[in-house]
Amino acid sequence: GDSVTQMEGPVTLSEEAFLTINCTYTATGYPSLFWYVQYPGEGLQLLLKATKADDKGSNKGFEATYRKETTSFHLEKGSVQVSDSAVYFCALSNSGGSNYKLTFGKGTLLTVNP
Amino acid sequence: GAGVSQSPSNKVTEKGKDVELRCDPISGHTALYWYRQSLGQGLEFLIYFQGNSAPDKSGLPSDRFSAERTGGSVSTLTIQRTQQEDSAVYLCASSYSGGRNNEKLFFGSGTQLSVL
Repeated sequence: GDSVTQMEGPVTLSEEAFLTINCTYTATGYPSLFWYVQYPGEGLQLLLKATKADDKGSNKGFEATYRKETTSFHLEKGSVQVSDSAVYFCALSNSGGSNYKLTFGKGTLLTVNP
Repeated sequence: GAGVSQSPSNKVTEKGKDVELRCDPISGHTALYWYRQSLGQGLEFLIYFQGNSAPDKSGLPSDRFSAERTGGSVSTLTIQRTQQEDSAVYLCASSYSGGRNNEKLFFGSGTQLSVL
């Protein structure tokens, strides 16, 4: 079945550091890929998405490129801020069949210190 | 309301009791999902409703778990004879149609269930 593997945290960075959170997936067909974020005390919300190979999703300074050849969707940000501290989830939604449920990774806790 | 609403926000129960968790999706959204978030386990899919189609129950961990969606809107997740391993945050999400694989899901804040 479909699965998502993301780097285990926690990740602790200083403000303005470069961030990479690795994500790889296993899926049949042509999935869409997502990063969701959960800020402290809040519900999950979509951060960015990409729907086909070589697409780049971007939002709030974060980027991720859909790499079909390496089945990856790594999240990057050039300069993190304290307000980016949150749990980040990589996810995929498969186009096979009629069920478009999201399959999530286990999440990566990011803490950014001033 | 503007978002997905879940109640209660916290539920403490004794082992063996039944619990009901409620989800009010965003008005007009035809797809509704339940997930479970356990510490260190990520988000585990439980069940999916889409319009009038039969729900996808493939993620329900045992027959103690069931869910209904009445009138295509409100959903109730029921856990019978709760066990300590059921302790988790139960998340509900909705999306506009559930008919495309690039749709954004809108999540509620979850119900924290603690089974003593």
